[in-house]
Amino acid sequence: GAGVSQSPSNKVTEKGKDVELRCDPISGHTALYWYRQSLGQGLEFLIYFQGNSAPDKSGLPSDRFSAERTGGSVSTLTIQRTQQEDSAVYLCASSPSRDSTSTDTQYFGPGTRLTVL
Amino acid sequence: AQKVTQAQTEISVVEKEDVTLDCVYETRDTTYYLFWYKQPPSGELVFLIRRNSFDEQNEISGRYSWNFQKSTSSFNFTITASQVVDSAVYFCALLFAGGTSYGKLTFGQGTILTVHP
Repeated sequence: GAGVSQSPSNKVTEKGKDVELRCDPISGHTALYWYRQSLGQGLEFLIYFQGNSAPDKSGLPSDRFSAERTGGSVSTLTIQRTQQEDSAVYLCASSPSRDSTSTDTQYFGPGTRLTVL
Repeated sequence: AQKVTQAQTEISVVEKEDVTLDCVYETRDTTYYLFWYKQPPSGELVFLIRRNSFDEQNEISGRYSWNFQKSTSSFNFTITASQVVDSAVYFCALLFAGGTSYGKLTFGQGTILTVHP
């Protein structure tokens, strides 16, 4: 079946603009995760959605970052007033987990490379 | 706190050589999960293997093998008879099954493997 898909694959924006990154998880997967990969910080957890539960936002670096998940499927990560330090690859993952104890294997999408000029 | 250390930043080998990628982890928890992911130049993180903390059996899959030793908190990955297609960044990751850490993979910094023809 289809894997995790993300769009756009590349995004170049100017400092101060807002951007939206989209993630389509694997069909049937109830858990969805966002990570960020940057040269200085490696791979960092951002946010985790599990079914209809309130998301775990503990990894979001600032209040300029937000994410939502509509209908338990597609997720959008929004970065407002982008800064140059937001430049990174944003990776989305999903897993089949059906309860809050999410220890299932996470399957990753190809990522969105964000460049803030 | 959880931590994963991949001390080898870059490894360069010639095709057909065996290569071992080291991974050392820190956690105070008794139940946890360890993973290896491969990130080829295309950028997508590809799942390779998952082990839980109660299963110390080594595993072999084709040219890949994994050595999990709780006594030394290590989960090393060996590629036998390496091939050019093995060139990628390899990440070791830790998932804790409890508290407020559900769903959060903690990644090592990654090891860049280059296999020369």
